[in-house]
Amino acid sequence: NAGVMQNPRHLVRRRGQEARLRCSPMKGHSHVYWYRQLPEEGLKFMVYLQKENIIDESGMPKERFSAEFPKEGPSILRIQQVVRGDSAAYFCASSSGEVYEQYFGPGTRLTVT
Amino acid sequence: KQEVTQIPAALSVPEGENLVLNCSFTDSAIYNLQWFRQDPGKGLTSLLLIQSSQREQTSGRLNASLDKSSGRSTLYIAASQPGDSATYLCAVRRATDSWGKLQFGAGTQVVVTP
Repeated sequence: NAGVMQNPRHLVRRRGQEARLRCSPMKGHSHVYWYRQLPEEGLKFMVYLQKENIIDESGMPKERFSAEFPKEGPSILRIQQVVRGDSAAYFCASSSGEVYEQYFGPGTRLTVT
Repeated sequence: KQEVTQIPAALSVPEGENLVLNCSFTDSAIYNLQWFRQDPGKGLTSLLLIQSSQREQTSGRLNASLDKSSGRSTLYIAASQPGDSATYLCAVRRATDSWGKLQFGAGTQVVVTP
């Protein structure tokens, strides 16, 4: 049973470009969470999605960031017009229910040059 | 507003000693608490999940206790090994709103020396 998959593992973007981060949850999991870990900081919640629905986006920056979890395919975290401050590790987690254990993927490390 | 604090921020012990890692939270209305391990440049590995109704949870050399009323959890690692070197994170899930999200502490960085 494969765990949570994230790709790419490393992503380098120039300022102003778009970054697309993908997350495939564990088999049987329909709840996906995105977290961000800035350098020298702890993990911060960004968004919680179920299939085709955003449940809680209270941690998402108001501009440039969006997330989706379509009926088919992986969840996507999209960052438009990236800036240096977006450089961080982005982690995806999945669970079989909103109060159940969350399992984390290996993360995508985004570097903005 | 929930705040999660982990003390100490860093810890170095010789191999064989027991490790004691502390986690405190300001709002006792939690649904559960989860302990994770993070290796450098890697993702998070879930170690233990304690429901709010439980006092402790055990897995092998790991034991986690929870005192919800005082807002504290402690992770004990018995007979530490160099392979236990990592950053340990605790995270709480609120019992009221926003059930889905975890709120993390900043972590305790552990080094076990041979």
